[in-house]
Amino acid sequence: GEDVEQSLFLSVREGDSSVINCTYTDSSSTYLYWYKQEPGAGLQLLTYIFSNMDMKQDQRLTVLLNKKDKHLSLRIADTQTGDSAIYFCAVYQTGANNLFFGTGTRLTVIP
Amino acid sequence: ETGVTQTPRHLVMGMTNKKSLKCEQHLGHNAMYWYKQSAKKPLELMFVYSLEERVENNSVPSRFSPECPNSSHLFLHLHTLQPEDSALYLCASSQDLAGGRGTDTQYFGPGTRLTVL
Repeated sequence: GEDVEQSLFLSVREGDSSVINCTYTDSSSTYLYWYKQEPGAGLQLLTYIFSNMDMKQDQRLTVLLNKKDKHLSLRIADTQTGDSAIYFCAVYQTGANNLFFGTGTRLTVIP
Repeated sequence: ETGVTQTPRHLVMGMTNKKSLKCEQHLGHNAMYWYKQSAKKPLELMFVYSLEERVENNSVPSRFSPECPNSSHLFLHLHTLQPEDSALYLCASSQDLAGGRGTDTQYFGPGTRLTVL
């Protein structure tokens, strides 16, 4: 299988940038996703990146992929209190035809 | 709203009860999934259906029994569960079976919070 790791907690002040990191183990991973889960809710797809890309930007979100180090990050610019949630990294592994999730990073935005 | 709904949102059941979780997708997708989300553990894929046929069963105990009567509906039948089965159960759907294409992105429902006493 695939091991997808994230740190469990991150706290930032409102208005600062947040950077959530993710590492994975299988270099054959093709698509990499970021999901957001608010309290009591399901997973909301935020963005995804294909493995032949280094960066993808979508409004306040920037995804960076370092394929050599198998490292994925999600940067949220101008973090707002509404961004407080758990953020999951997910990696699609072609060989297993499966989507592997990290444990999630709980982002707390301090007003 | 992702177009995937789940009912009930919360369920409390005893170990001898039989209950069912329901998932419905309004996206015209062909593939549906059941996931289990336990505290501090990665999301676990339980079952995968494509065009109403089960294509994946990740060593899930038989006390969980899925049913997919059509491409829009997915059920998870529960019987004689254990307290450690308490978790958030998430349903997801994708246009086609996840094949590594961005268009096969999975869209998740809100989940059913299950508590087994």
